[in-house]
Amino acid sequence: GDSVTQMEGPVTLSEEAFLTINCTYTATGYPSLFWYVQYPGEGLQLLLKATKADDKGSNKGFEATYRKETTSFHLEKGSVQVSDSAVYFCALTSGANSKLTFGKGITLSVRP
Amino acid sequence: EAQVTQNPRYLITVTGKKLTVTCSQNMNHEYMSWYRQDPGLGLRQIYYSMNVEVTDKGDVPEGYKVSRKEKRNFPLILESPSPNQTSLYFCASSSSGGGLNNEQFFGPGTRLTVL
Repeated sequence: GDSVTQMEGPVTLSEEAFLTINCTYTATGYPSLFWYVQYPGEGLQLLLKATKADDKGSNKGFEATYRKETTSFHLEKGSVQVSDSAVYFCALTSGANSKLTFGKGITLSVRP
Repeated sequence: EAQVTQNPRYLITVTGKKLTVTCSQNMNHEYMSWYRQDPGLGLRQIYYSMNVEVTDKGDVPEGYKVSRKEKRNFPLILESPSPNQTSLYFCASSSSGGGLNNEQFFGPGTRLTVL
């Protein structure tokens, strides 16, 4: 079945540091890929998405590129802020019942 | 404001006492779904509904029931809760059955503790 693997956390960075969160996937067919963010005490929000190979999703300074050859969708940001502190989930859907298959999530803490 | 609402936000109950967690969306979405979030496991789908009166099991349906009598509401029912159902629950909705391009909108979550 489908699966998503995220790098182990938590991650702690200083403000303005560069961020990379790794995500790889296994799926049948041609999935769409997502990054969701969960701020403390809140539900999940879509951060960005990509629906086909080589697509780049971007939002709020975050970027991720759909790499079919490496089955990856790594999240990057050039300069993190304290307000980026949250839990980040990589996810995919392959269309079957529209189910989102999530990675385990990673907690990012950004210190001033 | 477009949103998914859940009630209650927090609930502590005892084993065997039936409970219902409500979910409502105001976006006229056809697709709704329930997930549970557990540490180290991410989110897993419990049940989903493609439209009114159409529901089906997700990955972890045991111990749960759902109904979809109206488009906007999708309650999650625990007939006889057990401690292993202690978790953080999220309801989500999207338009046109979800699909590869449609964003799923999540509610704020319900933290359930079963003693």
